[in-house]
Amino acid sequence: GEDVEQSLFLSVREGDSSVINCTYTDSSSTYLYWYKQEPGAGLQLLTYIFSNMDMKQDQRLTVLLNKKDKHLSLRIADTQTGDSAIYFCADAQPGNQFYFGTGTSLTVIP
Amino acid sequence: NAGVTQTPKFRVLKTGQSMTLLCAQDMNHEYMYWYRQDPGMGLRLIHYSVGEGTTAKGEVPDGYNVSRLKKQNFLLGLESAAPSQTSVYFCASSYRRGRPEAEAFFGQGTRLTVV
Repeated sequence: GEDVEQSLFLSVREGDSSVINCTYTDSSSTYLYWYKQEPGAGLQLLTYIFSNMDMKQDQRLTVLLNKKDKHLSLRIADTQTGDSAIYFCADAQPGNQFYFGTGTSLTVIP
Repeated sequence: NAGVTQTPKFRVLKTGQSMTLLCAQDMNHEYMYWYRQDPGMGLRLIHYSVGEGTTAKGEVPDGYNVSRLKKQNFLLGLESAAPSQTSVYFCASSYRRGRPEAEAFFGQGTRLTVV
């Protein structure tokens, strides 16, 4: 099956930019997603990118996709304490099977 | 706007007991999923369903069974609970016919402890 990898932890200072990285192995991905999980809650979709796009911007969020290297990143500009959460990248294969990364725990230091 | 609802939210079982987790969605989604979340391992797919009356195994299906008798409901059963099944379980649903994007919507999770 698909392998989706993320680093486990990231700490940034409030106001700085955060960059969360993800790599995947299967080139047949249709959509790639970023989800946010706050403590004690389910996952909520932050943004997604179609596999034929290189970049997508949505307010403070910028998603970059490098299909050649199978690398996805999420940049959060002006990171706030409310952005502290676990961020998951996910890969949707044809047939709607989702594969999730291990999640990156983002800590924002005031 | 209920979305995806899971019941119960918390449960403690003794080893060998059985239970059923219920997932209900009101978005007319075709696909439904059960995941378990364990520290450092992300979400792992247990079973999924691509439509009413169909189910399929995911990455970690052993010890679990599922049923999708109605489109809106997806049940996850543990016949004989084991401590290794202590986890947080998430249900998700996705895909409405005619929409290209396939966002998965998640329930709030069920925290299960097997002692």
